[in-house]
Amino acid sequence: QSALTQPPSASGSPGQSVTISCTGTSSDVGGYNFVSWYQQHPGKAPKLMIYAVHKRPSGVPDRFSGSKSGNTASLTVSGLQAEDEADYYCSSYSGNNKYVFGTGTKVTVL
Amino acid sequence: EVQLVESGGGLIQPGGSLRLSCSASGFTVSSDYMTWVRQAPGKGLEWVSIIYNNDNTYYADSVRGRFTVSRDSSKNTLYLQMNSLRAEDTAVYYCARIPVTTDAFDIWGPGTMVTVSS
Repeated sequence: QSALTQPPSASGSPGQSVTISCTGTSSDVGGYNFVSWYQQHPGKAPKLMIYAVHKRPSGVPDRFSGSKSGNTASLTVSGLQAEDEADYYCSSYSGNNKYVFGTGTKVTVL
Repeated sequence: EVQLVESGGGLIQPGGSLRLSCSASGFTVSSDYMTWVRQAPGKGLEWVSIIYNNDNTYYADSVRGRFTVSRDSSKNTLYLQMNSLRAEDTAVYYCARIPVTTDAFDIWGPGTMVTVSS
C-alpha cells in the first residue's frame, strides 16, 4: 500500500495554470478510473474537487480539471486565484477493497 | 444539510484504547460506504478503514487487527474502535462518505485529534 507519488510543490502566478501529477501503478491509478483529487487548506478538512478521473462535483469551478494517462493522473488548475493556494492530494481505489492517497502537493500562488 | 461530525479524540497512553464517533446528518450512514482517514501532524492523508453498506469491513495493513469500524443505524453514527494504540497512530482522524456511485470521498467531517503519548 505505497502512497501515490506527487511533486512536493507547485506554483504559479494569478491567472496562470498549474498541473499536478499523481503517479501510481497498474494496481491502482492505472487499473481503475476511480482517481479523485482533494483540496485542503491549513487546519481544514479535505474537499473533493475531482472524482472518477475528470468529473467535477457540483459547486467546484470549471477551472479545475482532471485527466489520466496510464499510471499517472493529473490535476490542472487554470486561471489561478489566491484562494487556490492549498495542499492537494490525489487518491485512487487500489483493489482488494482498499484506497490509497498521494503524498500531497503544496500549491503556492505567487 | 449533509454533514459529518467526529468526536472522541484525546490524549491516550501507548497500549490504550479509544473509540471515535462520527455523527451523520442529512443522509443515512447505512446507505453509502463510510470510511476513516487519518493525517499525522504535518503529514499526508492515510486511508484507514471502510464499511460497506452490506456491513463488510476492510482495513489498512497498519491498523488491521487493532482497529474495528462499525455503525449504528438507529443513531446514524459511525464508530472506530482503536485498541493497542501506538505513538504512530497520533493523527487527526476524519470520517468521510463514499457514495456508491462515485468511489470518492465526497463529504468529510472536521476531524478529531488523537494523541498517543505517555
